[in-house]
Amino acid sequence: GAGVSQSPRYKVTKRGQDVALRCDPISGHVSLYWYRQALGQGPEFLTYFNYEAQQDKSGLPNDRFSAERPEGSISTLTIQRTEQRDSAMYRCASSPGGNTEAFFGQGTRLTVV
Amino acid sequence: GEDVEQSLFLSVREGDSSVINCTYTDSSSTYLYWYKQEPGAGLQLLTYIFSNMDMKQDQRLTVLLNKKDKHLSLRIADTQTGDSAIYFCAETLSGGYQKVTFGTGTKLQVIP
Repeated sequence: GAGVSQSPRYKVTKRGQDVALRCDPISGHVSLYWYRQALGQGPEFLTYFNYEAQQDKSGLPNDRFSAERPEGSISTLTIQRTEQRDSAMYRCASSPGGNTEAFFGQGTRLTVV
Repeated sequence: GEDVEQSLFLSVREGDSSVINCTYTDSSSTYLYWYKQEPGAGLQLLTYIFSNMDMKQDQRLTVLLNKKDKHLSLRIADTQTGDSAIYFCAETLSGGYQKVTFGTGTKLQVIP
């Protein structure tokens, strides 16, 4: 596609439910990143993939959070047993590789009630 | 650890210059960025500077880097109402990928 596409754009879920957030990167982009942005804050790094390999997951807050990119393209960020503190904007970015510009999607606004 | 700080708010009149400031703590930073975030939109990379540079100019944007003081600034000349947005300063360390540490953002309000 023309840009990074994230779905859904908005997600409201009840506490304790699992959610899966999807990221469709720019075609051919090798690297894919997930960030989380709380209200009034800057984005915070969660995890990074190079092709299908998860190279860095140091930013994932706890083991309820996981991410995968099985075929080196689309990625899914899964949050199990959601809590209210998980409410945030989740942003995905992709880049051609290396330390080049990463292009961000519009994000998924997650609200846990 | 990395920490990037910015003032929260800046208000300028249309046509004036805006200067948004940022300080960072990690002297290992290799790239420093300015991103723009408009409501309902993704983050847009405006410009970036390598840590071995002092200044970079790109049309209305001028980035100044004082590596000794770990201070980065973004000057927007002839500020327009379309420049109203949140501006994030960000840094990344060497490593070949975009594990970027963002500041808290400065909200720029341009008054017509």
